[in-house]
Amino acid sequence: GQQVMQIPQYQHVQEGEDFTTYCNSSTTLSNIQWYKQRPGGHPVFLIQLVKSGEVKKQKRLTFQFGEAKKNSSLHITATQTTDVGTYFCAGRATALIFGKGTTLSVSS
Amino acid sequence: EPEVTQTPSHQVTQMGQEVILRCVPISNHLYFYWYRQILGQKVEFLVSFYNNEISEKSEIFDDQFSVERPDGSNFTLKIRSTKLEDSAMYFCATQGRVGTEAFFGQGTRLTVV
Repeated sequence: GQQVMQIPQYQHVQEGEDFTTYCNSSTTLSNIQWYKQRPGGHPVFLIQLVKSGEVKKQKRLTFQFGEAKKNSSLHITATQTTDVGTYFCAGRATALIFGKGTTLSVSS
Repeated sequence: EPEVTQTPSHQVTQMGQEVILRCVPISNHLYFYWYRQILGQKVEFLVSFYNNEISEKSEIFDDQFSVERPDGSNFTLKIRSTKLEDSAMYFCATQGRVGTEAFFGQGTRLTVV
């Protein structure tokens, strides 16, 4: 079945450093979504990418969708303590399948 | 902001007992999902539901699981005979249309003892 892989599993950064998480799918995706889950919380939608090669920005967050629509990345510039949480990519071939997530911790 | 409501927030049950987890979707949403998350692990897809029937289910969603929308509002997940390994956070999610943002409920933490 469809698998969505995400690396790294954990990342610790100093406040102000950049952070990137990568997502790869075993199948071509019709779209990819990114979610953030704060500790003890529920996944909250961040963004959706649909087009091949698409790049979208939300303030310090930059999202990319690969040309083959099988991989994606999320880059955070100058992390802040409020960025702490687990970032999941979720790809849809049929149902919305989540990657394992990257847990980001930030020390000030 | 519209929200998905799940009840109860926490359920403790004995192994072998039946549990029903409830979800009230956002009112005009048509696509419903159940996911589970074992502590510290990823969000795992269980089942999707559209037009009053299951549209897709994962390997996890075996004969012990069932879903229904009995009254047109509540969307329920039933586990017939709970096992210790069913202990997890169960999230309901809904979408207005396929390929749009999925809204998650706050989750029900199920503990099987």
